[in-house]
Amino acid sequence: GAGVSQTPSNKVTEKGKYVELRCDPISGHTALYWYRQSLGQGPEFLIYFQGTGAADDSGLPNDRFFAVRPEGSVSTLKIQRTERGDSAVYLCASSLEGGPWETQYFGPGTRLLVL
Amino acid sequence: AQKITQTQPGMFVQEKEAVTLDCTYDTSDPSYGLFWYKQPSSGEMIFLIYQGSYDQQNATEGRYSLNFQKARKSANLVISASQLGDSAMYFCAMREGAGNMLTFGGGTRLMVKP
Repeated sequence: GAGVSQTPSNKVTEKGKYVELRCDPISGHTALYWYRQSLGQGPEFLIYFQGTGAADDSGLPNDRFFAVRPEGSVSTLKIQRTERGDSAVYLCASSLEGGPWETQYFGPGTRLLVL
Repeated sequence: AQKITQTQPGMFVQEKEAVTLDCTYDTSDPSYGLFWYKQPSSGEMIFLIYQGSYDQQNATEGRYSLNFQKARKSANLVISASQLGDSAMYFCAMREGAGNMLTFGGGTRLMVKP
């Protein structure tokens, strides 16, 4: 079956603009995760959804970042008033039920560049 | 303190030889899981292998095996019979207790020489 998909694959924006990044998880997966990967580093956790609700948003860096998953499937990560430091690859992952032993399957990421 | 430490920024290995990528971790939770992912230049994180803290045997998946030394808090990835397609970044990650996030190390870039 299809894996995790993310759109757009690349996004270039100007400082101060608003962006939305989309994630479509593996069909049937109830758990969805967002991570951010800066150049030369490992991914860092942003937020975790179980179904429609954000079960853990402790990784969001500030209130400019927000994510939704209104129907328990597709999720959108929203960044307001973008800053150059937001430039990174934003990775989405999903797992079947969110259990601690489950593998998280990642999408190809969205490369965000803020000029 | 770093929760996941990968001390080898870059590694070279000759094609068809075995290579070990190091990973040490730090947790006080007795229940945890350790994961290895491969990230080729395309950017996608590909799951390779998993080891649970209560697993009695080292995990193996094809050419990948995990050398799990619990007392030393290390979970090294061993790739046997390296192939050119193994050239990529490799990340070790941990999930603690009932938590849902993965904590990643800084990665090791593996380069396989023909």
